[in-house]
Amino acid sequence: DAKTTQPTSMDCAEGRAANLPCNHSTISGNEYVYWYRQIHSQGPQYIIHGLKNNETNEMASLIITEDRKSSTLILPHATLRDTAVYYCIVRAHRTTSGTYKYIFGTGTRLKVLA
Amino acid sequence: GAGVSQSPRYKVAKRGQDVALRCDPISGHVSLFWYQQALGQGPEFLTYFQNEAQLDKSGLPSDRFFAERPEGSVSTLKIQRTQQEDSAVYLCASSLKPGPNYGYTFGSGTRLTVV
Repeated sequence: DAKTTQPTSMDCAEGRAANLPCNHSTISGNEYVYWYRQIHSQGPQYIIHGLKNNETNEMASLIITEDRKSSTLILPHATLRDTAVYYCIVRAHRTTSGTYKYIFGTGTRLKVLA
Repeated sequence: GAGVSQSPRYKVAKRGQDVALRCDPISGHVSLFWYQQALGQGPEFLTYFQNEAQLDKSGLPSDRFFAERPEGSVSTLKIQRTQQEDSAVYLCASSLKPGPNYGYTFGSGTRLTVV
């Protein structure tokens, strides 16, 4: 699976948009980009995923560059409850072993400030 | 159930003791994963089940770690002769189907402390 690079930490003011970048320059054509977040003492929570096109759901928007080498997760109006570690993951459609598994990095620790 | 349930929530084991960690996935979910998360790190893959078949166990750190899912639903992760380096949060996740468009639902994990 392609490796991802994320900033270690970011701060965002409450009510403002939080833009979390992710670099995945070695991504291949069949690999999706997934975003999860992990709030303290909980398991990771699915946010959004995409392959080529930008995606939006009730939680966030995902912007993928045309060359697919990087992406940005956007939380349009950050709240204190969005304070968490955000993981950007790429995963092949199917690995040679038949497994569909995530390889997590260390993520970005987002702190939303009041 | 509505979510992935893991038990116990916390476990303290003496070094050398055997432990068993349980995962109840969402009913009907085909895929089940176990991950290990050390303090301050991202989760690391341990093993994967598709129904009752263990298709990938490449992440299990040693032969002291064993996982099973005999009827394709509940799964148990067993650690024999626990060591201090086994202290971590063990996360279970399930997914309706194996495809790329199915997100995973994670449980809250079992925090194992080996003393």
